[in-house]
Amino acid sequence: EAGVAQSPRYKIIEKRQSVAFWCNPISGHATLYWYQQILGQGPKLLIQFQNNGVVDDSQLPKDRFSAERLKGVDSTLKIQPAKLEDSAVYLCASSLTDGDYEQYFGPGTRLTVT
Amino acid sequence: EDKVVQSPLSLVVHEGDTVTLNCSYEVTNFRSLLWYKQEKKAPTFLFMLTSSGIEKKSGRLSSILDKKELSSILNITATQTGDSAIYLCAGRIQGAQKLVFGQGTRLTINP
Repeated sequence: EAGVAQSPRYKIIEKRQSVAFWCNPISGHATLYWYQQILGQGPKLLIQFQNNGVVDDSQLPKDRFSAERLKGVDSTLKIQPAKLEDSAVYLCASSLTDGDYEQYFGPGTRLTVT
Repeated sequence: EDKVVQSPLSLVVHEGDTVTLNCSYEVTNFRSLLWYKQEKKAPTFLFMLTSSGIEKKSGRLSSILDKKELSSILNITATQTGDSAIYLCAGRIQGAQKLVFGQGTRLTINP
C-alpha cells in the first residue's frame, strides 16, 4: 500500500512570509496528524483530524498556523507569517482511526526560516 | 503536563554490542507506549505496549513496559551499523489518543 505523501520536501522562506504544506494520508485512514519536530527534539502534535473534523488543536499556535482537511482526505498546514522559531521538520501521519492503532508517518517537510 | 523522558540522549557503541534504551513517562490517562525508529525523517513503528510485563520481540529488538515504574526499555542485541538511528518513545493518552513523544535517543553503531 502507498504510504503517507507530503510535499514539498524542503522549503526555505524569509521570516514574515507564508508557507503551506500538503499531506495525502494512506487510503482509508480516517485520522490525520500534523507534528512539528524541532532539531534535537521529539515530534510535537500540532493538530489531529478525525475525518474532516478537528479532534485536538490545543498545541497549534492559532495566531499564525492553520490547517484544514476538506473532504476528510488530503490536508494542508499553513503558516502565516512565519517566524525564525518555526524552522523545523513538519511531519504528517495517519492511522486507521482514532483507536489504539499505529500511526504511519510521511517523509516530512524541512522548513528553514531565514 | 504530560511528559516523556528518554535516556541516554546519545549512545555510541561498537557493532555486536547489546544496548538498552530507557523511556519514562508521566502521562495522564495513560493507554499505551509506542517505540519508533527514525533514520532520515519519517519515524517507523517498532512496538506498541499496553500491558505491563509482557515482552514484545522482533528479531534482535525487544521491549517491555513496567506500569508500576512508569517506564519502558528497548533492547537491541548484536547491534549492526544499520541500527544507527534516533529511537523515539511516545505515550498515548486515552480518549484523545494523542501521542506525547520523548526527545529521542541517538544511537550510533560503529563498525
